[in-house]
Amino acid sequence: GQQLNQSPQSMFIQEGEDVSMNCTSSSIFNTWLWYKQDPGEGPVLLIALYKAGELTSNGRLTAQFGITRKDSFLNISASIPSDVGIYFCAGQLYNTDKLIFGTGTRLQVFP
Amino acid sequence: ETGVTQSPTHLIKTRGQQVTLRCSSQSGHNTVSWYQQALGQGPQFIFQYYREEENGRGNFPPRFSGLQFPNYSSELNVNALELDDSALYLCASSIRNTEAFFGQGTRLTVV
Repeated sequence: GQQLNQSPQSMFIQEGEDVSMNCTSSSIFNTWLWYKQDPGEGPVLLIALYKAGELTSNGRLTAQFGITRKDSFLNISASIPSDVGIYFCAGQLYNTDKLIFGTGTRLQVFP
Repeated sequence: ETGVTQSPTHLIKTRGQQVTLRCSSQSGHNTVSWYQQALGQGPQFIFQYYREEENGRGNFPPRFSGLQFPNYSSELNVNALELDDSALYLCASSIRNTEAFFGQGTRLTVV
């Protein structure tokens, strides 16, 4: 099935460090979403972006909707142990609720 | 807590059997989407229901079917189960064309 290109695939960082991950697509999307998924659980919505160039924050998380509408990035500042999990980007076309997900970034945080 | 609940949480079926998974959407949400997530992959769109009608389908065979009820809850039915159908099945609810919120998923194992 179709998946967006997400990088890096995995990250191992120390508590307190900043993290950056990004997502690229060959298609244009009208909405970009970032989700976090813990093992055996459903994805939890972190941030939603609706306009090209939009920069949105949610606590220590900041995400941007790329100008070309084909990419997005997510930054996590001052990481803590509970940030551990798999982060997925997802693109959504206008007038459809279908989400195309990225391949995921697995984040490990060491104390 | 997203308000989206799925049942059962785990299920083991034999190849060739049929299975029904259930989803209660978040209050006020009229759109339900179903996703299949294989181990180590991002979720893949199966189909979506809006006001009790199928409103978009991914690349899944006809033995994957669904229903949406007047209270917007939904069922996913899979006939003639195959080993490759083993996955986490996720339900997401939304108000049409807005961000989707996921349930905790049903882990289906086909043996």
